[in-house]
Amino acid sequence: EVQLLESGGDLVQPGESLRLSCAASGFTFSNYVMNWVRQAPGKGLEWVSTISSAFHTYYADSVKGRFTISRDNSQNTLYLQMNSLRAEDTALYFCAKDIGGPAGELAPDYWGQGTLVTVSS
Amino acid sequence: DIVMTQTPLSSAVTLGQPASISCRSSQSLVHSDGNTYLSWFQQRPGQPPRLLIYKISNRFSGVPDRFSGSGAGTEFTLTINRVEAEDVGVYYCMQTARTFRSFGQGTKLEIK
Repeated sequence: EVQLLESGGDLVQPGESLRLSCAASGFTFSNYVMNWVRQAPGKGLEWVSTISSAFHTYYADSVKGRFTISRDNSQNTLYLQMNSLRAEDTALYFCAKDIGGPAGELAPDYWGQGTLVTVSS
Repeated sequence: DIVMTQTPLSSAVTLGQPASISCRSSQSLVHSDGNTYLSWFQQRPGQPPRLLIYKISNRFSGVPDRFSGSGAGTEFTLTINRVEAEDVGVYYCMQTARTFRSFGQGTKLEIK
């Protein structure tokens, strides 16, 4: 059974840093594209970042230069290093894996429950 | 970047009646591999998103066949054949055709 468990969310002040983790199990983590998606309170979904199985990384303009996605395939864990946090980064952060497979399907199929990041003074 | 626009933003449907949600992209979603990467998600209150449809019209594992997707290029539609009470929630389209991914604003589905 695929499981994704996010952790690391917290209440921080503007300008501070935070690292989110997503522990994966139930699939061969190293073979899959992984994503971070966030949802501000009462708002819609916003794509944040994606990392391929070949470690290529992609970011939304809103976080580029401040956030860094990474993966540790030996630990089956996805990370999101978040620096220079702003009030507008306040959201529930989800990690999600792509379908992948032999055809390399590009769509997030399994999602974690999310971890809450609150940026406030 | 590709902007995804959904209509309507909310819809109230009678149980057993059909519902449809439209999604328009600002650019073609045809990938360099020839596939069109447009997906639909359902999000129930307090839950993470659930994948319903991928590549325009492919139902994900376990998704009831009353959900269907259609479209091409820049215009796409999610149709629920006969709405059930458990279908209440917010529906999102998402493009993964480009490395910079994006979601629609979401459509809230309620029962009339």
